[in-house]
Amino acid sequence: DAGITQSPRHKVTETGTPVTLRCHQTENHRYMYWYRQDPGHGLRLIHYSYGVKDTDKGEVSDGYSVSRSKTEDFLLTLESATSSQTSVYFCAISDTGKTEAFFGQGTRLTVV
Amino acid sequence: GQQLNQSPQSMFIQEGEDVSMNCTSSSIFNTWLWYKQDPGEGPVLLIALYKAGELTSNGRLTAQFGITRKDSFLNISASIPSDVGIYFCAGLKAAGNKLTFGGGTRVLVKP
Repeated sequence: DAGITQSPRHKVTETGTPVTLRCHQTENHRYMYWYRQDPGHGLRLIHYSYGVKDTDKGEVSDGYSVSRSKTEDFLLTLESATSSQTSVYFCAISDTGKTEAFFGQGTRLTVV
Repeated sequence: GQQLNQSPQSMFIQEGEDVSMNCTSSSIFNTWLWYKQDPGEGPVLLIALYKAGELTSNGRLTAQFGITRKDSFLNISASIPSDVGIYFCAGLKAAGNKLTFGGGTRVLVKP
């Protein structure tokens, strides 16, 4: 398995609270991504990063922010969690010149 | 946003059967990838396709990059119980490194 660790693996939080999910990689890959997975929607890109401090929005970025201060860490923050953000979140990485993306094991987030 | 249409959405398999699924798009992709996801896990890359018309195998799996570059197909031969899971296609355009995923095909075992 590619060296990708997501934390936490499971979290339950209340509506309106801030939440931060962490993705840590040991592969020194340039690109990092956050996806959410919901029934009937497959995997949808939230934000991605193409280098330290370089990030861009994906197709479902509203309500989320990201930060990448080090190559190995990509943080996803829900500033004020809503029930619609209940989902499974996956981090993925890929490297320069490579098209394959490798995924972490996911974080199951429940907003009550 | 752009979408990949994956079909069927679900299918039942009996051990030993061959199964097929496909992925279509209204736009062109330069790379097609096929992933499998087991329950509670992240997707795992099965096959990568880089050229129109390319046919690539990985064990009992065979995938093809459609000649129009707007579709791809995955076949599983002689299915076994551990083939159960969700299969995702993903496409990559020339610019950028963002994958677009299909909605997945859920493969289940016939009762």
